Amino acid sequence: KQEVTQIPAALSVPEGENLVLNCSFTDSAIYNLQWFRQDPGKGLTSLLLIQSSQREQTSGRLNASLDKSSGRSTLYIAASQPGDSATYLCAVRPGETSGSRLTFGEGTQLTVNP
Amino acid sequence: DAGITQSPRHKVTETGTPVTLRCHQTENHRYMYWYRQDPGHGLRLIHYSYGVKDTDKGEVSDGYSVSRSKTEDFLLTLESATSSQTSVYFCAISLGRDRAFFGQGTRLTVV
Repeated sequence: KQEVTQIPAALSVPEGENLVLNCSFTDSAIYNLQWFRQDPGKGLTSLLLIQSSQREQTSGRLNASLDKSSGRSTLYIAASQPGDSATYLCAVRPGETSGSRLTFGEGTQLTVNP
Repeated sequence: DAGITQSPRHKVTETGTPVTLRCHQTENHRYMYWYRQDPGHGLRLIHYSYGVKDTDKGEVSDGYSVSRSKTEDFLLTLESATSSQTSVYFCAISLGRDRAFFGQGTRLTVV
């Protein structure tokens, strides 16, 4: 059974700092990995999707990397801003052809202080 | 934002009553999912659908049923609500095994 772990569970940083969020998964046979952002009381917003054949994806100040063989992904946020404060979740989709479901980590709650 | 509407957004119901949550999409995506989100457990898959009338169970399907009679609608029913089903329920959609999009959630309280 796939298990996804996100460390740390919470992180507080000053504005302007570069930071890294970690995601690890136990079964490396994944199809893709997706990073989401969730604001309090809201739904999930998709940030980045990395296919299993890719090493990284970038969108603005966000960069996600994937090391499938070691079961790890990182989300790098450059020059953090208070508006980045949210919970960040990663989710993996299995590699088998019938695998359409996502398995989620519990998230990292990020606070960026002005 | 993807065109996903969940209704109702909030509901309080009594133990033992039936409850139906609705997810409506305007994207014509093939796959639709129901997740629940609870502190300490994260998001867990309840049921999903890969086409009209085609559904399958997720990891926490006991006490829940689903129906999909049209591409755009996916209904989640709690036949007899229990306090353990108090949660936030999210609907999600995807074209295939690519990017998933989520609705805004339904907060259900069973008293």
